Amino acid sequence: KQEVTQIPAALSVPEGENLVLNCSFTDSAIYNLQWFRQDPGKGLTSLLLIQSSQREQTSGRLNASLDKSSGRSTLYIAASQPGDSATYLCAVGDDKIIFGKGTRLHILP
Amino acid sequence: DGGITQSPKYLFRKEGQNVTLSCEQNLNHDAMYWYRQDPGQGLRLIYYSQIVNDFQKGDIAEGYSVSREKKESFPLTVTSAQKNPTAFYLCASSMYSRGTGELFFGEGSRLTVL
Repeated sequence: KQEVTQIPAALSVPEGENLVLNCSFTDSAIYNLQWFRQDPGKGLTSLLLIQSSQREQTSGRLNASLDKSSGRSTLYIAASQPGDSATYLCAVGDDKIIFGKGTRLHILP
Repeated sequence: DGGITQSPKYLFRKEGQNVTLSCEQNLNHDAMYWYRQDPGQGLRLIYYSQIVNDFQKGDIAEGYSVSREKKESFPLTVTSAQKNPTAFYLCASSMYSRGTGELFFGEGSRLTVL
C-alpha cells in the first residue's frame, strides 16, 4: 500500500530565505507526483506536476524534483515571501492519488 | 470559466440524517474524486470514479455513497452510518484516469454534525 510522508510537519523561516520541503513515498511505481498549496479553509491549488519520466519542474520561484528510485521529491522555494505562508501537500498518482499530511509553512516578515 | 463547483460551502446536519454534497465540473474530465480532510490531517480518499457509471471505494468509504450518472457530476452522500462525519470534504477531477493526470480541486464543503 502506497504511503506518503512529508517532513517537516511545520516550518517557520524569516522572509527572504530559500527553503526545501520534503516528500517521500514507499512505492516507486508511480505515474506522477504533484505539489499543492492549501490556504486555511480553502481547496487545494496545484503548483507543479512532475511526470514519472521527468526529474524536475519549475514555475517561477518554485522548483520540484523527483527521484523515483529513492522514493523522494523536494519542493524548493526561493526568496520566500509572507504570501508563501500556507500548507504544502504532495500527492503521488498510481491507481489512486494518495496525499501526504502536508507541511505548514510560516514565513516571518 | 472552467472549474469545479462544490455546494453547499457550509452544511449543518443533525445526527441520523443523510446529506448529499454536490460536485460539478465543466472541464470535461474523465476522473473524479472525493476526499475528506480533518484538522491537521492530509486528505483521505473516500471514493473515486474513472468513467461514467463506474466508481471504486477509496480508503475510508464506510458510511458514504456516490453515483456517477453524468460525466460532469459526482455527488457524495454522507449517510447516518458514518460515525464521525464532521469534516471538510473536497472534490477533485482529472482529465485522465488511473492517477495519470493533473488533479484540480473545488473549494470544499464543510459539514458539521450537531
